[in-house]
Amino acid sequence: SSELTQDPGVSVALGQTVRITCQGDSFRSYYGSWYQQKPGQAPVVVIYGKKYRPSGIPDRFSGSGSGNTASLTITGAQAEDEADYYCSCRASSGNVVFGGGTKLTVL
Amino acid sequence: QVQLLESGGGLVKPGGSLRLSCTASGFTFSDYYMTWVRQAPGKGLEWVSYMSNSGTYTKYADSVKGRFTISRDNAKNSLFLHMNSLRAEDTAVYYCARSQLEREGYYYFYYMDVWGKGTTVTVSS
Repeated sequence: SSELTQDPGVSVALGQTVRITCQGDSFRSYYGSWYQQKPGQAPVVVIYGKKYRPSGIPDRFSGSGSGNTASLTITGAQAEDEADYYCSCRASSGNVVFGGGTKLTVL
Repeated sequence: QVQLLESGGGLVKPGGSLRLSCTASGFTFSDYYMTWVRQAPGKGLEWVSYMSNSGTYTKYADSVKGRFTISRDNAKNSLFLHMNSLRAEDTAVYYCARSQLEREGYYYFYYMDVWGKGTTVTVSS
């Protein structure tokens, strides 16, 4: 299956650490990527590949993976991190797939 | 400044056609894969299609295969999405995104590193 599964919603207290996960068979063969989307805005890539972070993305964002699961960790979550987060991966078919998205709430 | 600007969205009746455009600036367009992604109102991101930098390789989501055609004009730094037989479920914001296909060891990865602001397509009678 090329589907990617994410929890619909996750919450974290300000300054604490949160892990957002994404499950899919594609991760056994391909590295994924993570996108942050705030209301009314286009998505922004925050993590890609094994654990690369684009310039301008705070180092509190990190990526990891094991088996069929990719994870995005925010260490010391800030109010501005409240957003929807989507994982994505290229499947063996060559198609690209997105997870359903996780709404992160910072309390 | 690296930038993508989509245009061509609008209101169209079911069964109608539309052509979206994406104009790139600030980078060498012909060096990059390009991707279309859409987002229906209140829904998540959905990959639509991508095209290789030379235009020789394309892929489509099953939901649009046979109805949508992606193309590009590297001389004009432009990407297009030709949409036919439009349905109500095609209503969405359509984003174009600069994309990269890379390899690290045994693993490939594909990601979209620059996005446009999107153009809205509404399919309704």
